[in-house]
Amino acid sequence: DAGITQSPRHKVTETGTPVTLRCHQTENHRYMYWYRQDPGHGLRLIHYSYGVKDTDKGEVSDGYSVSRSKTEDFLLTLESATSSQTSVYFCAISEASGGASDTQYFGPGTRLTVL
Amino acid sequence: AQSVTQPDIHITVSEGASLELRCNYSYGATPYLFWYVQSPGQGLQLLLKYFSGDTLVQGIKGFEAEFKRSQSSFNLRKPSVHWSDAAEYFCAVGDGNKLVFGAGTILRVKS
Repeated sequence: DAGITQSPRHKVTETGTPVTLRCHQTENHRYMYWYRQDPGHGLRLIHYSYGVKDTDKGEVSDGYSVSRSKTEDFLLTLESATSSQTSVYFCAISEASGGASDTQYFGPGTRLTVL
Repeated sequence: AQSVTQPDIHITVSEGASLELRCNYSYGATPYLFWYVQSPGQGLQLLLKYFSGDTLVQGIKGFEAEFKRSQSSFNLRKPSVHWSDAAEYFCAVGDGNKLVFGAGTILRVKS
């Protein structure tokens, strides 16, 4: 299994509070991704990173920001959490070029509940 | 935009029976296709992938998938299902820097 950890694994928070989720990898892979999983939607890309300090938006990026100050860590921040951001969040990594053929490996997920 | 359709939200099969999970994609060029499995409370595990060449792809856990360009399909199959195969299965297509996922199919196995 790819060395990917996510923290926390579960979190309950209140509307309007800031939340930061952490993804840590031990594989030294260049690309890292944040997805959210919701019933009926599969997984949707929030943001991704192609190197330290290099990030870009995915299809559902509104309300989220990311940072990557080290190769091994990719942080996802909800500046002011809303109930619509209740979801399961997955981090993924890939080692190659970030192209369409890359295999992505997924972390165990973080279940976030916003009350 | 690229898209993936998994027409079956739930499928129930008997243990020992064969399985086919359907996946249709919309993609303009040669697709890179993936099947992932997610056990309850777990992350996603790669079952198999198709890039080019042989249209029948073998994966882990006894799964295989067949790429049919004429039907824009990449169906997942297993000849004999085990109770431990109960999980959610996701088909995905590589699209630039991201994967585009289908909505998933939940497989239930009855004894």
